[in-house]
Amino acid sequence: GDSVTQMEGPVTLSEEAFLTINCTYTATGYPSLFWYVQYPGEGLQLLLKATKADDKGSNKGFEATYRKETTSFHLEKGSVQVSDSAVYFCAQGGDDKIIFGKGTRLHILP
Amino acid sequence: KAGVTQTPRYLIKTRGQQVTLSCSPISGHRSVSWYQQTPGQGLQFLFEYFSETQRNKGNFPGRFSGRQFSNSRSEMNVSTLELGDSALYLCASVAGRSTDTQYFGPGTRLTVL
Repeated sequence: GDSVTQMEGPVTLSEEAFLTINCTYTATGYPSLFWYVQYPGEGLQLLLKATKADDKGSNKGFEATYRKETTSFHLEKGSVQVSDSAVYFCAQGGDDKIIFGKGTRLHILP
Repeated sequence: KAGVTQTPRYLIKTRGQQVTLSCSPISGHRSVSWYQQTPGQGLQFLFEYFSETQRNKGNFPGRFSGRQFSNSRSEMNVSTLELGDSALYLCASVAGRSTDTQYFGPGTRLTVL
């Protein structure tokens, strides 16, 4: 069945470092793609999304581009902050359901 | 617009008991999904309700059930609790299609002793 694979964490970076969290999906067709973020003690919240090939989603300095040819939706940020420490989930929405990856925990050191 | 609310926020039960969790979606949203989140298994889909009907179901035993009311509020029930049911239970509301943006509540932390 369809699945979403994202890099396992935890990922630990220093403040102002460049961030990449890889995500690949397996759905056929053109699913919508999402990145959600979960801060400690909270539920998930949408970070960004893209609905068609070559779309770039962006929010709060984070970006991800929908790459149909590589079935990927990697999350990037040029300069991370301590406040970005959280768990990040990649997800795909296709047919009648949304599928989440296992999540990547990100630690940013001051 | 008020967000998704879940009650209670924390719950402690013992094995064999049953529990009911409640979720109130964003006003106007007709779809509610439930997820179980554990450190080992990550986020796992339980079920989705749309207009009082179960639209999708994950791979959980029959001890896990849910329902949705005419005002879109949803409840999930777990009977005969097991230690492995300890988890954060999240609900999410969606305006329409399952694949649209999901708006999550803060979750109910269930501990089974």
